[in-house]
Amino acid sequence: QQQVKQSPQSLIVQKGGIPIINCAYENTAFDYFPWYQQFPGKGPALLIAIRPDVSEKKEGRFTISFNKSAKQFSLHIMDSQPGDSATYFCAAAGATGTASKLTFGTGTRLQVTL
Amino acid sequence: GAVVSQHPSWVICKSGTSVKIECRSLDFQATTMFWYRQFPKQSLMLMATSNEGSKATYEQGVEKDKFLINHASLTLSTLTVTSAHPEDSSFYICSAWDLEPYEQYFGPGTRLTVT
Repeated sequence: QQQVKQSPQSLIVQKGGIPIINCAYENTAFDYFPWYQQFPGKGPALLIAIRPDVSEKKEGRFTISFNKSAKQFSLHIMDSQPGDSATYFCAAAGATGTASKLTFGTGTRLQVTL
Repeated sequence: GAVVSQHPSWVICKSGTSVKIECRSLDFQATTMFWYRQFPKQSLMLMATSNEGSKATYEQGVEKDKFLINHASLTLSTLTVTSAHPEDSSFYICSAWDLEPYEQYFGPGTRLTVT
């Protein structure tokens, strides 16, 4: 029940394309859903996060779509660029406002080609 | 966003020695920090939760006598890998919650190689 399932495992898109990464969760106590971007040899960097009270959030070229009834959320990267090539992790946490543990997805390796 | 630093960024040590890794929250106070381990091309594996002024909480299967955690202040947590062995070689990453706003930030990671 603590798992967060992430797909696809890897993804190749052309420059300008819109890669979509999906995550699903079971634990209804989760109420905070961040996405992290990680480059090789670096720590994860927070991209964008959403809470269940909204169905969509945009920050720059990154958009999270959230479906509470389906317990699914996804990351869309608009106008993708080669510099977006990285590994993306979704995560979830419960007990908003407290320093609770994040449960991570397994990651998606994105490659954006020219 | 908030900044979390780690030191050192990489370290090579001999088998049997101990290595200390520092994690600092630079512009916010963190009563709770987390330590992760990451193997190549895998997700982050939570090792332990570090609580300021109290004992760390270890995840199942993590040897607390091998991975010593100390959280002596609101901005500093340390992870000491004791009697390191080659199988301890990994990428270690810490994180901390900035509760205002509610976001968790990660350090840049420490690459440990045990020879």
